[in-house]
Amino acid sequence: GAVVSQHPSRVICKSGTSVKIECRSLDFQATTMFWYRQFPKQSLMLMATSNEGSKATYEQGVEKDKFLINHASLTLSTLTVTSAHPEDSSFYICSARDSRTVYEQYFGPGTRLTVT
Amino acid sequence: SQKIEQNSEALNIQEGKTATLTCNYTNYSPAYLQWYRQDPGRGPVFLLLIRENEKEKRKERLKVTFDTTLKQSLFHITASQPADSATYLCAPSGGSQGNLIFGKGTKLSVKP
Repeated sequence: GAVVSQHPSRVICKSGTSVKIECRSLDFQATTMFWYRQFPKQSLMLMATSNEGSKATYEQGVEKDKFLINHASLTLSTLTVTSAHPEDSSFYICSARDSRTVYEQYFGPGTRLTVT
Repeated sequence: SQKIEQNSEALNIQEGKTATLTCNYTNYSPAYLQWYRQDPGRGPVFLLLIRENEKEKRKERLKVTFDTTLKQSLFHITASQPADSATYLCAPSGGSQGNLIFGKGTKLSVKP
């Protein structure tokens, strides 16, 4: 149980285009999902917290107009990187918190974004 | 500000030995702490959660301790195997949204 999927696993896009990443909890409901970014040999940095049915809460320094988050259902959250630039190239990982257990967070396999 | 430190970037041990990883946190008191395993190019995999009122938690060959006085958690892998080689992340709770705050991780290499 407690499986989180992400799609796509890898994406290459041209500078200036937008990319959407999906995060799904497959066998549980997630009231809250989190989006992280990880650069090589660095720790996971929280970008935003997404609560079902409400606006996402962004961490300081993260542009909400650039990283659009939608959490339309209890099993799906999406992150759209708008007008991507090479510096947005990174490993994006989502996690979902099981509504029943409250504490444990389960992570997706990650999405490698490369902007050329 | 909240700070998480994991004892070393890399730890090399011989197969069969016990690996001990350290996580120290400062400037706050997490209600719970989680340990994750991360393989290259993959998302973290949940291993264990320990609450502030628990001293120790075990799961198969894994053991976690949580000392709120020392502000430290220890993560042990007994009878280590080459398959245990990975980066292990310490993540105390602490964010205002209930999010986790991650350390940089310790890369464990178990040699046969």
